[in-house]
Amino acid sequence: DAKTTQPTSMDCAEGRAANLPCNHSTISGNEYVYWYRQIHSQGPQYIIHGLKNNETNEMASLIITEDRKSSTLILPHATLRDTAVYYCIGMDTGRRALTFGSGTRLQVQP
Amino acid sequence: GAVVSQHPSWVICKSGTSVKIECRSLDFQATTMFWYRQFPKQSLMLMATSNEGSKATYEQGVEKDKFLINHASLTLSTLTVTSAHPEDSSFYICSAGGHIKNIQYFGAGTRLSVL
Repeated sequence: DAKTTQPTSMDCAEGRAANLPCNHSTISGNEYVYWYRQIHSQGPQYIIHGLKNNETNEMASLIITEDRKSSTLILPHATLRDTAVYYCIGMDTGRRALTFGSGTRLQVQP
Repeated sequence: GAVVSQHPSWVICKSGTSVKIECRSLDFQATTMFWYRQFPKQSLMLMATSNEGSKATYEQGVEKDKFLINHASLTLSTLTVTSAHPEDSSFYICSAGGHIKNIQYFGAGTRLSVL
């Protein structure tokens, strides 16, 4: 799996967009970029994933750079319930176990 | 999205007793499920891969005789912590899926406290 690097923590004001970066400079051509989050004392929750194109769903948008070496997860209007640890994971398939790094602890401030 | 149910969500037990945790895929069949463990302020660590109808595959350093895994059906995997000790206190989480849009779904987790 691709090695990913994320900032340890970030703050965001409630109602503003939260932009969470992830560096995956060694990602291979067949590896997707997955984003999961873990709210305190809960199991991880799938957010979004993509290969080359930008993706959007009801939870977030995923922007992947053209060279695929980095990506940004965007929560368009952060709420207090978005406070969580966000994990960026590079994998060629979703059928294997996920390898979790340290992630980014996002704190949404009122 | 697909749902993975985990039970119990919280258990307290005495040292030396065994605890069984269930992981069910509610609306899909899962030939493979994964068990993770998470200690406070740490990330999730894979313990083992549960394979329906065959033996589980354990990660290095995880004792297979202590953490018994049974995957007897396509919708149920169980993790039994045998002769639990205080150092086994942790947050245990299962996952399944992957065949649906390449997405793994996670259970809500089980917090085990061994006294």
